Amino acid sequence: QTVVTQEPSLTVSPGGTVTLTCASSTGAVTSGYYPNWFQQKPGQAPRPLIYSTTNKHSWTPARFSGSLLGGKAALTLSGVQPEDEAEYYCLLYYGGAWVFGGGTKLTVL
Amino acid sequence: QVQLQESGPGLVKPSQTLSLTCTVSGGSISSGGYYWSWIRQLPGKGLEWIGYIHYTGSSFYNPSLKSRVTISVDTSKNQVSLRLRSVTAADTAVYYCARVMDTAMASDYWGQGTLVTVSS
Repeated sequence: QTVVTQEPSLTVSPGGTVTLTCASSTGAVTSGYYPNWFQQKPGQAPRPLIYSTTNKHSWTPARFSGSLLGGKAALTLSGVQPEDEAEYYCLLYYGGAWVFGGGTKLTVL
Repeated sequence: QVQLQESGPGLVKPSQTLSLTCTVSGGSISSGGYYWSWIRQLPGKGLEWIGYIHYTGSSFYNPSLKSRVTISVDTSKNQVSLRLRSVTAADTAVYYCARVMDTAMASDYWGQGTLVTVSS
């Protein structure tokens, strides 16, 4: 069974920069996995942020960026705001099946 | 503006079938270009992809749920449906429908989700 792994939790100071990663049990993540990233706040539906590794939706703040880093998909937040405190999920495509990562709880402190 | 709205019973008895509908507004399912997906989130847990269907009818399911799941499209009503058979308490979750652009594999619009509790 394919497993997608994210950091369980990260803490960042307001104004700082943090990178969340998304690893696949099958090996290096490439653009062919079409990494998507989502932000979810308590009681809300997930909000799409990034698709196809680096592409932003029209509503995605400029401080969010996606990339591939060391064989993983990555989401970088630069100039973190208090409202960025949330759970973040990645999603990878495996030639038909989709698999979500377990999520990263980001604390802004 | 595309909107997705899930609907269906909030309570289902064990061993019965969970049936949910996702009504799409602001865009036509039959216009093509998208996969229509179902995702769930168990209480206090992460997201689990259930499956998706293309407007052409091709579908793909999570292998762990495949034997119990059917996703279908009704283009006349602009709706996507989910049926999950033989439910147990472990299927208690918030169920979301979402749209995915088929060329970029980009998930863009989601419904607000609906809580389904499996209990007698």
